[in-house]
Amino acid sequence: IQMTQSPSSLSASVGDRVTITCQASQDISTYLNWYQQKPGKAPKLLIYGASNLETGVPSRFSGSGSGTDFTFTISSLQAEDVATYYCQHCDSLPYTFGQGTRLE
Amino acid sequence: QVQLQESGPGLVKPSQTLSLTCTVSGGSVSNELYFWNWIRQPAGKGLEWIGRVYPTGVTNYNPSLKSRVTISLDKSKSQFSLRLSSVTAADTAVYYCVRKSGRGQFDSWGQGALVTVSS
Repeated sequence: IQMTQSPSSLSASVGDRVTITCQASQDISTYLNWYQQKPGKAPKLLIYGASNLETGVPSRFSGSGSGTDFTFTISSLQAEDVATYYCQHCDSLPYTFGQGTRLE
Repeated sequence: QVQLQESGPGLVKPSQTLSLTCTVSGGSVSNELYFWNWIRQPAGKGLEWIGRVYPTGVTNYNPSLKSRVTISLDKSKSQFSLRLSSVTAADTAVYYCVRKSGRGQFDSWGQGALVTVSS
């Protein structure tokens, strides 16, 4: 299953609403997760099951979608949100990730 | 709070075997709620799932690497390991050991281990 994220990079300002999309090459129901990776660090789980917020993750992060089309949103961008964001499907093996969206 | 820590050589010669170990603390590798995974990331590139091991010893691998990968589990040491044979420069990457939870999410990650393949 191929995961296609867009855009590959974007620039935004503090307080902006930011949206990233992820499209699967086939129906994956809601088996979709989102991660945040800061430079030199391991990825961090933000959203699982397409829309469930991981414990401890700020509520400005959200996810939606099912089937093949998914959306990740930051409602009000904070300076510490500068990172690369990845979607990942867990519908079947092998698990695959999107190519990443670099947020500046 | 579970913690994962990778260890192993940072430099491997071409055609040799890359070996890494992940030590799990604050949790049990015997817990059948979880799978234990390896994921890698070449510099400046995206994430690639390598494979996983279940507490029963059952393994699954990415078809793109299957012929060269072995993942194993040592419950007595609370560790799981990765072996990747016949390495080339294309295998140079940061290797992460990662726990997968019930809905398929990778919820706990090691800090990563950079492995460089070079003579």
